[in-house]
Amino acid sequence: GEDVEQSLFLSVREGDSSVINCTYTDSSSTYLYWYKQEPGAGLQLLTYIFSNMDMKQDQRLTVLLNKKDKHLSLRIADTQTGDSAIYFCAEKGDYKLSFGAGTTVTVRA
Amino acid sequence: SAVISQKPSRDICQRGTSLTIQCQVDSQVTMMFWYRQQPGQSLTLIATANQGSEATYESGFVIDKFPISRPNLTFSTLTVSNMSPEDSSIYLCSVEGGQGYGYTFGSGTRLTVV
Repeated sequence: GEDVEQSLFLSVREGDSSVINCTYTDSSSTYLYWYKQEPGAGLQLLTYIFSNMDMKQDQRLTVLLNKKDKHLSLRIADTQTGDSAIYFCAEKGDYKLSFGAGTTVTVRA
Repeated sequence: SAVISQKPSRDICQRGTSLTIQCQVDSQVTMMFWYRQQPGQSLTLIATANQGSEATYESGFVIDKFPISRPNLTFSTLTVSNMSPEDSSIYLCSVEGGQGYGYTFGSGTRLTVV
């Protein structure tokens, strides 16, 4: 079955790096995703990584995947106030996505 | 990636009534997904809608409560029937954007049942 876990809260100072961690259980996952949800808004796909990759970088975002430990992380460099949001990791199983509970990131000045 | 138009964006409904949510996609897609996000919670898949066949419901969700239509490859509706305050949630539709594009979500329907 699918079970995705994330820490619930992260507070970070503006300009620092944020690291959000996620663990999953489905070893057959093909893709893993990071979504961002701002207050009152829908889900925005931030980035994804294919299961045979270890790392993916996209501007300020770096995704690391440790498939052996089933651990996924998202690093946001130079965190800005606009990065305050809920971040969901999700894994793709056979046909559907399973989501973590979401990490609320608060950026303080 | 696909663009999804979802409406209504929000509604306040009386208990016992029904609300139909619409999703229009700008390209043809095989599967459309309907999710529920209860207040402060993560997303839970309600059902998968395929064109030309009955929707497939996840455990805990039934067709009588959440009937779904999928008349063509670009459109789907989800009805929340006989609503109660426990149905107050955000409902989102989603499609797979193709290999490597991830899943795209509609902007969501914020439903409040009073």
